[in-house]
Amino acid sequence: EAQVTQNPRYLITVTGKKLTVTCSQNMNHEYMSWYRQDPGLGLRQIYYSMNVEVTDKGDVPEGYKVSRKEKRNFPLILESPSPNQTSLYFCASSAPTGRRTDTQYFGPGTRLTVL
Amino acid sequence: RKEVEQDPGPFNVPEGATVAFNCTYSNSASQSFFWYRQDCRKEPKLLMSVYSSGNEDGRFTAQLNRASQYISLLIRDSKLSDSATYLCVVNKAPYNNNDMRFGAGTRLTVKP
Repeated sequence: EAQVTQNPRYLITVTGKKLTVTCSQNMNHEYMSWYRQDPGLGLRQIYYSMNVEVTDKGDVPEGYKVSRKEKRNFPLILESPSPNQTSLYFCASSAPTGRRTDTQYFGPGTRLTVL
Repeated sequence: RKEVEQDPGPFNVPEGATVAFNCTYSNSASQSFFWYRQDCRKEPKLLMSVYSSGNEDGRFTAQLNRASQYISLLIRDSKLSDSATYLCVVNKAPYNNNDMRFGAGTRLTVKP
């Protein structure tokens, strides 16, 4: 089954404790992204990657890191989480279709609470 | 001005009603347009892409107006199962196909 998986699905942590949210896709997609969703703001892109070892900042990259060492995986790293990073996080992947973006497939989401 | 703007709603309509959502975008160079559906606390899922000529999928019709920089979604004969938040998605610039911008969503509730 084609899917995007994220782990963990729920996480409660404390300020300053480094954490990693994993994302994996089995569709051989080149493009992967991380978003956060907050009430009234919609989804905002944190980082995206157009291929292995190619990453770029989205709208709200501060406080986050990513890596793309393999095509299927795109982990999101919070080196020193703060309460303002409490949010619902989605990973997404897609394959380019000519010059147009193919549909994005989203993971099930990770609900993060930073105390 | 937000890059992608939607009426947040909520839209409360009876079953069988026709409802329309609009979305405006600020970047005239955008080339990819989509409507996604998001159920409460779930991941967004593609409802339909929006093409220049407009497109229809069953009860759903999407239109693009490049001159006025807005896209629309029309839902006919609303069903209870259509209750969800509808997200307008636009790519930020041509040839940068992974840089997408989402509207905050329009919430629809269909009532019996």
